[in-house]
Amino acid sequence: GQQLNQSPQSMFIQEGEDVSMNCTSSSIFNTWLWYKQDPGEGPVLLIALYKAGELTSNGRLTAQFGITRKDSFLNISASIPSDVGIYFCAGRDGNKLVFGAGTILRVKS
Amino acid sequence: DTEVTQTPKHLVMGMTNKKSLKCEQHMGHRAMYWYKQKAKKPPELMFVYSYEKLSINESVPSRFSPECPNSSLLNLHLHALQPEDSALYLCASSQDLTGYNEQFFGPGTRLTVL
Repeated sequence: GQQLNQSPQSMFIQEGEDVSMNCTSSSIFNTWLWYKQDPGEGPVLLIALYKAGELTSNGRLTAQFGITRKDSFLNISASIPSDVGIYFCAGRDGNKLVFGAGTILRVKS
Repeated sequence: DTEVTQTPKHLVMGMTNKKSLKCEQHMGHRAMYWYKQKAKKPPELMFVYSYEKLSINESVPSRFSPECPNSSLLNLHLHALQPEDSALYLCASSQDLTGYNEQFFGPGTRLTVL
């Protein structure tokens, strides 16, 4: 099946810094989704992307659907302590979602 | 209401027990999913229901038995589980299996098998 390469695996940044993470695939996806998961909770949908080249914002979060349909990135501006968690990208493959391995974000206050 | 609820929040069971996990959504979604998630790993798809019919079974062992009594409810019946089945079990729903397929997750049930 398809696989997503998500990087970085983890990040440890200062509060107030901007964060960037991305996912790449060898195959095309028609939908990219970004989720955040807090410890002991379910993933929460942050941003959904449907068109190649699409750039979408949600507060301090901005995500883009790569023009080749094989990649997507997520940026978080001015990070705050509550941004801590695991961020997953997911691409739609037919009736299923293919998930990246996740990026663990730790913020130093 | 954009919420998926799951009960119980935590479950501890022995290998000979029978238990059930429950999931409910009131968003009018017609597709519902069960995922299994190990610590610091992405969710792994187990089952997909579409319009109350099983659409996808990802070769899940028969000790896991899903049930969709109606369009709002999804159950996962557990029997004779193994310790390696301990994980966070997530339910999700989406409008249907066509279109954009945004999946919304519940908070999960933390299962421990002794």
